[in-house]
Amino acid sequence: KAGVTQTPRYLIKTRGQQVTLSCSPISGHRSVSWYQQTPGQGLQFLFEYFSETQRNKGNFPGRFSGRQFSNSRSEMNVSTLELGDSALYLCASSPTAQGVADTQYFGPGTRLTVL
Amino acid sequence: AQSVTQPDIHITVSEGASLELRCNYSYGATPYLFWYVQSPGQGLQLLLKYFSGDTLVQGIKGFEAEFKRSQSSFNLRKPSVHWSDAAEYFCAVGPTGTYKYIFGTGTRLKVLA
Repeated sequence: KAGVTQTPRYLIKTRGQQVTLSCSPISGHRSVSWYQQTPGQGLQFLFEYFSETQRNKGNFPGRFSGRQFSNSRSEMNVSTLELGDSALYLCASSPTAQGVADTQYFGPGTRLTVL
Repeated sequence: AQSVTQPDIHITVSEGASLELRCNYSYGATPYLFWYVQSPGQGLQLLLKYFSGDTLVQGIKGFEAEFKRSQSSFNLRKPSVHWSDAAEYFCAVGPTGTYKYIFGTGTRLKVLA
């Protein structure tokens, strides 16, 4: 079974732009979660989706949004990029409705650099 | 306030030695507890998790963790460390109800040959 895939792997944007990151979960997994990892703030939970519904959200501003499609693929969007949004964005999928409480399988991440 | 503390930023042990990584939490309810490992090129991987029941949890790669409610701790242990265990380890808590999913700041493990 293929693992969690994230595209693109690397991205460079400038301040003020917006960006969309994509995550394809493991086949059959219906729960997708997103995380931001930075040297200063560490790993932070962004949001969790199950069956196209956002079930849980971390403490991030409204510039961070996401969605999940009927095939469980998920996208996250960051609008009006700031320098502090430079980070590794990780996506994880899990097979059950337990979502983040279940065993999650992480993708390799998308490295976003904001200039 | 909810928080997770991993007091040791770096730990160095010799191969074959025992290991204990500390994790303390502050949470408004009995949380779900997790340990993850992140290796270069390997991504983030769940080692073990605790929800309820037996407070000693066995995980993958020979790791175990013990939940101690009275100390609000969930320390990770391994009796004999291998060079391949060198990585960064994260403790996480939650989510429960409205409480969020929070990660500790991580402990970077170095293993000496």
